[in-house]
Amino acid sequence: LAKTTQPISMDSYEGQEVNITCSHNNIATNDYITWYQQFPSQGPRFIIQGYKTKVTNEVASLFIPADRKSSTLSLPRVSLSDTAVYYCLVGDGETSGSRLTFGEGTQLTVNP
Amino acid sequence: NAGVMQNPRHLVRRRGQEARLRCSPMKGHSHVYWYRQLPEEGLKFMVYLQKENIIDESGMPKERFSAEFPKEGPSILRIQQVVRGDSAAYFCASSPGLKKISTDTQYFGPGTRLTVL
Repeated sequence: LAKTTQPISMDSYEGQEVNITCSHNNIATNDYITWYQQFPSQGPRFIIQGYKTKVTNEVASLFIPADRKSSTLSLPRVSLSDTAVYYCLVGDGETSGSRLTFGEGTQLTVNP
Repeated sequence: NAGVMQNPRHLVRRRGQEARLRCSPMKGHSHVYWYRQLPEEGLKFMVYLQKENIIDESGMPKERFSAEFPKEGPSILRIQQVVRGDSAAYFCASSPGLKKISTDTQYFGPGTRLTVL
């Protein structure tokens, strides 16, 4: 069972770049890596997904090293509204849904 | 295009009663997921459904919990004879079903917060 490990919390300041790393040592060949953001009392929101190397969209970048045992979500120039819990999700389409476990996530707090 | 709708947003039940949680997926989405989130914890997968078909229920408790996604109408998560430990936020997500289960982007609803007294 692919298990993910993330820091429980991170603190940052407005305007800084934030990097959140997720470890997934048991990632399988077909596994993709997906990141979601969750605000209090809301459902998670998709941020970015990747398989290898680097993926970038209008919100974030995702860096995946060659061994794929970890991934790093990079948020450029964070603002107060980026304060949320960030979840790393690993799984592939061939496995049961029980692998769709979001884990504890990382509480990011952006300070003024 | 309306997002995923869930109702009720808050539900209070006494022990032993039944709880029915409804989820209307985004327009054009044929797949629905249900998750449970306990306070201060991450989301736990419960069940994955397509219209009139349960694809994966590996995360569902063996007793008292059931889910359906009929041809017409919303998906229903049903909890019979609720106990205090069922108190949690229940999130529904939908996806277009174009990719495999965990690579398909999921769009989440606002959740239903169930409180069992």
